[in-house]
Formats: sequence, C-alpha cells, structure tokens
Amino acid sequence: ETGVTQTPRHLVMGMTNKKSLKCEQHLGHNAMYWYKQSAKKPLELMFVYSLEERVENNSVPSRFSPECPNSSHLFLHLHTLQPEDSALYLCASSHLILRGRVNTEAFFGQGTRLTVV
Amino acid sequence: KNQVEQSPQSLIILEGKNCTLQCNYTVSPFSNLRWYKQDTGRGPVSLTIMTFSENTKSNGRYTATLDADTKQSSLHITASQLSDSASYICVVGLSGGYNKLIFGAGTRLAVHP
Repeated sequence: ETGVTQTPRHLVMGMTNKKSLKCEQHLGHNAMYWYKQSAKKPLELMFVYSLEERVENNSVPSRFSPECPNSSHLFLHLHTLQPEDSALYLCASSHLILRGRVNTEAFFGQGTRLTVV
Repeated sequence: KNQVEQSPQSLIILEGKNCTLQCNYTVSPFSNLRWYKQDTGRGPVSLTIMTFSENTKSNGRYTATLDADTKQSSLHITASQLSDSASYICVVGLSGGYNKLIFGAGTRLAVHP
C-alpha cells in the first residue's frame, strides 16, 4: 500500500450520469494531483492542488470538476462524460518542493478504471 | 517541448535474464529523473529518483543510470523474475513548487518462464 487510497476501483457510467471519484492520503502531504492514463499513452496531468488551492488545470473539459476540501481528500466529480473519457484515473500526493529539497517522492493510488458507455 | 521518450515499447525476456530499458528526455528546467514500475491496472510505484549530480542508483535488482549531458537514462534489471512483468515508466521532474512531472509512455516488459 502506498498510503494513497482511491475509490471506487472500477466504475461504469452512462453518458448522462453524475458520479464522483474519491482519493484519500494519510501521508501528511500538502499537494494532490489527478492524472488520466489512456491506453498506451503517457500519464496526463489534469489538476494540481497545493495547500488545498488549485494551482494547475491542464485544459481539462468542464465535465471534470475537482474538489479538495482538505489536505487529505481529493474528489473528481464527473458529469455528462464521453466514451473517450474511459481511462484509468490516478490520484497522487506529495510534499511541496521547498527550498533545499529537490527530490520529493510522489505516491500514487491504485487508480479508478472508468468506463463510459 | 518537454518530452520523454522510451525504448523499446515492449520487451519479452526469459526468467533469469538481464535487460536494459532506455529513456531519452528533452525537459527543462530539469530537477530529477525517476523510474516507476506499474503493474497492469494499478498505480505506478517508485523505483529510483536521481538528481543531475547522481549518475547511478540501485534498488535491489534494479539499477538506474543517468547521463545529464546526453540527457539519457537507463534502467537495468538483473536476474529477472516473473513478478518483474510490468510497465516501466521514465519520469522527469521539473523544478518548481510542486511535483511537475513529465511521463514517458513506458516500456511493457513481459518475463516468461
């Protein structure tokens, strides 16, 4: 176990459904991330939260809506998704890279396998 | 454009054999280079992290090398085991306040008995 827990592990949803992915970390980290991994493609960064503030949104469609209520929890709210959104969604957490610290490990959850039908 | 390229895309080896995976990167500003192992359907797990001043780092049967001048890295796996079957992802970290990571597409390794 990496200390980052994602639920659910698998999700099948219709294009008109609304669902949420949940991520929880017990590592005392202050940065959390959502990544999308499509088949045979590199991980794509979607959102970054630093100290509970969104600091990066990589041109992600508005049908994906992140929420970070506190430093331990991260959600990804989904609505009116498309079949091409089917992928493995990974959450990660890390410390911030502060002065003097160049190697800060990122820990990943097991992912949610999302299928949009 | 920041980019990480890995080769080969896939590799099949016999149990007990050694193998080497390659990574080339064009990323700036460079902070560190990492290798992750990802089992099918699971999240990546870190194997090694190296800064530009480190040219080799080992983690058990895994040894990573880094040549910051040529912007190349390799991951050598010694005496492979069936459990080494996974994707191996080369990741370059950028300088910054949080983990800005550029991912390669991975090398899919299959170890056969």
